[in-house]
Amino acid sequence: ETGVTQTPRHLVMGMTNKKSLKCEQHLGHNAMYWYKQSAKKPLELMFVYSLEERVENNSVPSRFSPECPNSSHLFLHLHTLQPEDSALYLCASSQDRGTVREQYFGPGTRLTVT
Amino acid sequence: GENVEQHPSTLSVQEGDSAVIKCTYSDSASNYFPWYKQELGKGPQLIIDIRSNVGEKKDQRIAVTLNKTAKHFSLHITETQPEDSAVYFCAERAAGNKLTFGGGTRVLVKP
Repeated sequence: ETGVTQTPRHLVMGMTNKKSLKCEQHLGHNAMYWYKQSAKKPLELMFVYSLEERVENNSVPSRFSPECPNSSHLFLHLHTLQPEDSALYLCASSQDRGTVREQYFGPGTRLTVT
Repeated sequence: GENVEQHPSTLSVQEGDSAVIKCTYSDSASNYFPWYKQELGKGPQLIIDIRSNVGEKKDQRIAVTLNKTAKHFSLHITETQPEDSAVYFCAERAAGNKLTFGGGTRVLVKP
């Protein structure tokens, strides 16, 4: 266990559905990340939150909407997705101060868009 | 922009042999180089890292070397075991929190 949990672990949704992915970290970190992992791009950074503020958005389509209500929780809200959005979505966290900034990953949510 | 090339994409070794994975990067400001191991059904796990002021770091059967002049770094696994079978990712960070990852290497250790 890395101290980062994600729910659900598997999700199947239609293109017209709305769903949310949840991430929680128990490490006392203050930065959190969403990554997309697919066969085309093994680890693609989507969003970065530091101290609950979004500091990076890597040109992600607006059908993905992140939310960081506090330093321990991160959500990814999904709506009107496309089949090519099917992938493993990974959450990570790190400490955003000092030189020790290793990222710890959760187990991921396997998303299938039908 | 940042770019990390990782080779090979797949690597098959006999149990007990060594495995070597190489990565090259383009950003001369890069100062932190972690390696992650991802097993089936799990997220990537940090296994070893190296900072730019060090040329080599070892932890039991795994070691990482860094050549800042040539902008490449490598992961070495000695005395491989079946449980070393996984996908390995290198990464680099220049500033802030953003890591740029290589494309991954699928390692298969044959008993």
